[in-house]
This record gives sequence, C-alpha cells and structure tokens, in this order.
Amino acid sequence: DAGITQSPRYKITETGRQVTLMCHQTWSHSYMFWYRQDLGHGLRLIYYSAAADITDKGEVPDGYVVSRSKTENFPLTLESATRSQTSVYFCASSRGRDQYFGPGTRLLVL
Amino acid sequence: DQQVKQNSPSLSVQEGRISILNCDYTNSMFDYFLWYKKYPAEGPTFLISISSIKDKNEDGRFTVFLNKSAKHLSLHIVPSQPGDSAVYFCASPVGDKIIFGKGTRLHILP
Repeated sequence: DAGITQSPRYKITETGRQVTLMCHQTWSHSYMFWYRQDLGHGLRLIYYSAAADITDKGEVPDGYVVSRSKTENFPLTLESATRSQTSVYFCASSRGRDQYFGPGTRLLVL
Repeated sequence: DQQVKQNSPSLSVQEGRISILNCDYTNSMFDYFLWYKKYPAEGPTFLISISSIKDKNEDGRFTVFLNKSAKHLSLHIVPSQPGDSAVYFCASPVGDKIIFGKGTRLHILP
C-alpha cells in the first residue's frame, strides 16, 4: 500500500550505542521530515530534507545525523544515544503545505 | 520562542457538546494554518486547514475560525463524539517547514 512507514516501531537501546530509525515513503514526495514528540514540547523538528542529497537542520538537531540518498528513504541515526533522546520519533513527507506522518517509533534509551 | 501557541494542555467536554480548541500565533506573516489530530500510538493526521484570505472553513463537524487582527484561530467540533478524544495540534507553514504548537489533549466525557 502507498504511504509512509517507519521501522522499527519500538526500540530499546543503551546509552552510547548507535541507533538508526528508518523511514520510507511511496508517494515520491520531495520533502521529508523527522520530528520528536515529548511531553510538554509537542512536535519538534530534528532534520528535514528538500530532495535527495539535500538536508537541513531543524530545531533540535544535536546528536542526530540524517542522510537521503534516495527520494523514498530518510533514515535518522543517533550516533551515540543518550537518555535525553528517549522519545517518540515521527517521520513525515509533504505535498504542498500538508504533511503526512508515519506511525512513529518509540525509542527508549537506558 | 513559540510562534504557534496552544495555551491549554488539556480540555474536557461532554459528549454532544461543542469543543473549542484555541491557538494563537505571533507572526502576522503567517498565511495558512492547519490542524492535526493525533491518537495514541499513531502519527498525526491532517484534519482541516484555513488560508488567511478566509475567516472560516468548515468540514462536517469541524470548523476553523481565523481572527487575523487578534492572531488567533480556533477549532470548533460540534457535536463532540467519543472518537474525537485525541491530541490536536495547531500548525503553520514557515518556508520549507511547519511550526507546530504543543498540542491540546481533548477528552470527550460520556
């Protein structure tokens, strides 16, 4: 089915480990985004990408790395996970001004 | 500095009554606004939008009102139903990105 998917849906890791969250969309949308949702903060933009090989920082990029070699994929990597990165992560893609979100990845860093 | 503000973290409304969710913004250059709805363990989904050339947009039970002079918009849900219990985000596009408010959790009481 067409849409936007994220994997894994749930992840438990330890402090200092590298973690990669995957995002895949089938619409060929140019723009893709990564957000984290935390209590009291709503949705905060981590990184976004206007097209393959074009990425830019959002509001809270520290500790995260992104890449976009193909239009449909936009992985988010935590190079050395910290407890403060425990959160729910949402990927989104956009057509025009509307964004379409994936189901989220719940990450716990112990 | 929050550009889109939802000052009520939560709201409880009796089933069948009207739910009113409020949103304020600081930048008078904002010209388009969106409301997203989010259920637990799911990504946000687009609900309704309004352009600044309008002061009202209606879609079934959902109506969004825009007061440009007050930099205020509100989402009205009439009548409220149990399935409306969710977190609602107000948002506005800024350049390539979308700025989200922190969200309001709506509880529909039986």
